[in-house]
Amino acid sequence: GAVVSQHPSRVICKSGTSVKIECRSLDFQATTMFWYRQFPKKSLMLMATSNEGSKATYEQGVEKDKFLINHASLTLSTLTVTSAHPEDSSFYICSARARPTERTYGYTFGSGTRLTVV
Amino acid sequence: GENVEQHPSTLSVQEGDSAVIKCTYSDSASNYFPWYKQELGKRPQLIIDIRSNVGEKKDQRIAVTLNKTAKHFSLHITETQPEDSAVYFCAASMGNQFYFGTGTSLTVIP
Repeated sequence: GAVVSQHPSRVICKSGTSVKIECRSLDFQATTMFWYRQFPKKSLMLMATSNEGSKATYEQGVEKDKFLINHASLTLSTLTVTSAHPEDSSFYICSARARPTERTYGYTFGSGTRLTVV
Repeated sequence: GENVEQHPSTLSVQEGDSAVIKCTYSDSASNYFPWYKQELGKRPQLIIDIRSNVGEKKDQRIAVTLNKTAKHFSLHITETQPEDSAVYFCAASMGNQFYFGTGTSLTVIP
């Protein structure tokens, strides 16, 4: 089945630094990937939709200059948290959908990245 | 955008009993409704989904019902087992974007 790899799984960074999170579709091409943020014991909040070869579409209230998204190829999307602060500490998770020709209609999630800003 | 509400937020059932989780959505254009199970610290896993042209779908102990008129859908788990304990999320989608419910923490008591 469709596999999405997310890296790193955990990262601790100092306040003011930037962190890059990668999301890769391993066995299918994903024209669209999605980035979510999840607080402890809370739901997944859609942050942005990442489109291959074009600018990401951000949800209302999400700072596009703080959460930089790049979708340079059909198998890779990156989320960069710039000038991270402790309030950015969270679980970030990506998902991707295989092309409509794939058997599964469902989306596949990456394994998530636990970001801790100290 | 779409607004998805989910109830209850926590649910405890005895092993062998049934569990029901309900979700409502706001946008009648939503046409795909998946349910995900998430264990602590792990990625959400799709357990069942339903499209708007179907009223009910069943897969072994799991079933989902959809009422398009009322804009609500429900997850039913029968003969619950301790390994069913997890957080469950419903979602509504129109096209590519998913909007998730707030989650239900299900505990199955042995």
